[in-house]
This record gives sequence, structure tokens and C-alpha cells, in this order.
Amino acid sequence: GAVVSQHPSWVICKSGTSVKIECRSLDFQATTMFWYRQFPKQSLMLMATSNEGSKATYEQGVEKDKFLINHASLTLSTLTVTSAHPEDSSFYICSATGAGGYNEQFFGPGTRLTVL
Amino acid sequence: TQLLEQSPQFLSIQEGENLTVYCNSSSVFSSLQWYRQEPGEGPVLLVTVVTGGEVKKLKRLTFQFGDARKDSSLHITAAQPGDTGLYLCAGRMGSGGSNYKLTFGKGTLLTVNP
Repeated sequence: GAVVSQHPSWVICKSGTSVKIECRSLDFQATTMFWYRQFPKQSLMLMATSNEGSKATYEQGVEKDKFLINHASLTLSTLTVTSAHPEDSSFYICSATGAGGYNEQFFGPGTRLTVL
Repeated sequence: TQLLEQSPQFLSIQEGENLTVYCNSSSVFSSLQWYRQEPGEGPVLLVTVVTGGEVKKLKRLTFQFGDARKDSSLHITAAQPGDTGLYLCAGRMGSGGSNYKLTFGKGTLLTVNP
């Protein structure tokens, strides 16, 4: 099956700093990548959908200026949490789907963000 | 309003028992997927159902898609401690093209005690 990686797997930062999380498709070209956040023992909440080479589409209630998404290539999307605050602490998960009838979303292992 | 209602939200059972998790909606889905997630990891796809009335089996797990493609169930027979995890249903409303957006249920946290 297709493999999606995330880096870093966990990060701790101070309030007010920015954090970048990378999502890579290792063995396929991901035309679309999704970013989710998940709180403990809860389900995944879609934050945004990004297509390679175009602006991300954000879900209602998600601040696009706070959660910057860049999908510059077919194998890499990044999520930058700007001016992070403790309430941004969460588990961030990306998924990727390919072209040509590839309907399945392949999920990354997630990134645990803790903002102090 | 939750598009996909998943129940129960929490389930704690003894090893060897059977259980069923339900995923219901008033909307029609082109496909529905079931995932299992362990703490600190991403979800892992268990199965995709696409045809109304479809039944798929994966060892001790049986998945069913409702005839109207609005609901689904996951049945586990003789649960084992290794089945412990968060089970998520997710539906896709569109088909083809680039409409790959998934809508997730709230999840069922299953604990199987030895």
C-alpha cells in the first residue's frame, strides 16, 4: 500500500512561535492532501484540503492565516501553525490521495503538537 | 449537526464477547470506509464498502453497508484484547473526479479486557 510520512512525529514549542509540519507521500504522487486535527479520544476533524499548485480550501471555522498550508509538489504538503497558543495543542494528521482513480486516502502517522 | 452518527461512543467488553458498532446518516454516501486507530498513530483502513447491501468480512470483522447507502455496521465476533482501539467510520458523498473529501463519525473507543 501507499505510504505517507509526517515530520516531526512530535514537537513542543513555546507560545507565540510558529511550527511547520511536513506531510510526504513516499511512493505515489499525491494530487490532493488533507489536514486533520484530532483531540484525545475524539474523531478526526478536517481542517483543509490542498491540491498541488493551488490554494488550500479551508473548512468553516478554520483560520487560514493561522494554519498556513502549502502543497508545492506532488509529494509534499506543509502545515504551518503560526503564533501557536496552548489551545492549538493537538494531534495533527495528514492524508493523501493520488490521481487516476485512486480514491483511497492514505493517512500519515500524525504529529503531536504541544504548545507551552 | 453531525453528518455521520456513530454509536456507541465508548464500549468496554470482555474477551470473547461479540459487539456491533453502528454508523448512521440521513445522507446517501457513494462509499463508506471503516478505520481503526491506535493511540499516537494515524488511522488504518479496514474496509471500503460501495454497494448498497454489501457485506464484507475481514477475519472476525463483518462490515455491512445499508441498502440505501445511508448506514453501515461493524460486527466483531469473539473480541480479543488486540481489537482495542478507536474505530472510525467515514463516508464520501461524491464520486469520481477530485471529490475525495471524507466525513468522519465521532468514533467508537473499544476496550477489550482480557
